[in-house]
Amino acid sequence: DTEVTQTPKHLVMGMTNKKSLKCEQHMGHRAMYWYKQKAKKPPELMFVYSYEKLSINESVPSRFSPECPNSSLLNLHLHALQPEDSALYLCASSREGGWDQPQHFGDGTRLSIL
Amino acid sequence: AQSVTQLDSHVSVSEGTPVLLRCNYSSSYSPSLFWYVQHPNKGLQLLLKYTSAATLVKGINGFEAEFKKSETSFHLTKPSAHMSDAAEYFCVVSDLRAGGSYIPTFGRGTSLIVHP
Repeated sequence: DTEVTQTPKHLVMGMTNKKSLKCEQHMGHRAMYWYKQKAKKPPELMFVYSYEKLSINESVPSRFSPECPNSSLLNLHLHALQPEDSALYLCASSREGGWDQPQHFGDGTRLSIL
Repeated sequence: AQSVTQLDSHVSVSEGTPVLLRCNYSSSYSPSLFWYVQHPNKGLQLLLKYTSAATLVKGINGFEAEFKKSETSFHLTKPSAHMSDAAEYFCVVSDLRAGGSYIPTFGRGTSLIVHP
């Protein structure tokens, strides 16, 4: 069982829809991450939250909007997505984001844009 | 910036034979290195990590890796492959960004295929 829980597991949406991805961890971690992963590729970092503040945005289009309501929750709000946004979206957390700290990953949300 | 190079996109072994997945890194300071495994339709799971302690690192499921500074390598090995080891493996280095954040930099991944 993974300690980082992502919902939903699958999501199909049209290009005009608004939806949200949710990520939850109860390990007391203070750094949380969103990644996008295409098939047969490594994860690509999108956003990093450190102590509930956005610390890194990897030039992600504004149709992706992250939110960290509290230290256990991370959301990714989606609006007006494009077909090329279809991918596996992974959430991860680490204790404080230090250089020696591994990340704990959820199993991801498989997103398909029609 | 730090980087990692996974030398093989695919490695094919027979069940019961040794596994070697190769990773080379570049780093301007003492690196922190990780190996993760990803099974189909799953997230990534940490196998092991190196953070400047012992150069031979033991991980889960019988995997181990040796940090060799002179060769800038961190190869992953297992004495005997099991069918359940078939998965994608990622070598990762921690990269320091402006502002003091450490961000993982991933290798391209190596797909391990295990034949019965």
